[in-house]
Amino acid sequence: DSGVTQTPKHLITATGQRVTLRCSPRSGDLSVYWYQQSLDQGLQFLIQYYNGEERAKGNILERFSAQQFPDLHSELNLSSLELGDSALYFCASSVALAGETGTGELFFGEGSRLTVL
Amino acid sequence: DAKTTQPTSMDCAEGRAANLPCNHSTISGNEYVYWYRQIHSQGPQYIIHGLKNNETNEMASLIITEDRKSSTLILPHATLRDTAVYYCIVRVVSNTGKLIFGQGTTLQVKP
Repeated sequence: DSGVTQTPKHLITATGQRVTLRCSPRSGDLSVYWYQQSLDQGLQFLIQYYNGEERAKGNILERFSAQQFPDLHSELNLSSLELGDSALYFCASSVALAGETGTGELFFGEGSRLTVL
Repeated sequence: DAKTTQPTSMDCAEGRAANLPCNHSTISGNEYVYWYRQIHSQGPQYIIHGLKNNETNEMASLIITEDRKSSTLILPHATLRDTAVYYCIVRVVSNTGKLIFGQGTTLQVKP
């Protein structure tokens, strides 16, 4: 158990719909990362938040957005869903930025499996 | 971040050592080598990391060549539960902290 909690574990929805995935980081971790894993693309970095602010952006579509709340949990919002958005979405957290305590290790949740029909 | 090259797949007999190679010929002086693994659709799991010295922990050993252009992850006594995709990642421990995953090596441990 990594200590990172993701909900829901499974989600089935239709094209054009909107869903929200939730992530609770490990206690004390300030950074949250979102990744997408589809069969043909591997693990793709989407976005990172640190203490409520966006820190790094990867291959995140404009239809997707994320935020980190004051209690440090994060949500990934996926809208106008397409068949190709079907994937596992992972959240990860880490303790701090470089120069602070930690090894740079990321702790991953068990993922949310999204199926778009 | 430097790119890495790993074999697509490898087999290993249960109880034997699994040696997973990784080439990172363009690694910079301040980049670390990280290894993660992903057991069938679970979240990736940290294994070990190092800068230039060999490292060992309860899961594995990491051997980095003197020129740092390649490394080997060693699982000393592979079990069936070690069957997974193993990712070698090189990166600066920067304030972004993100990991960029390649395709990794699928290790199949066979009885």
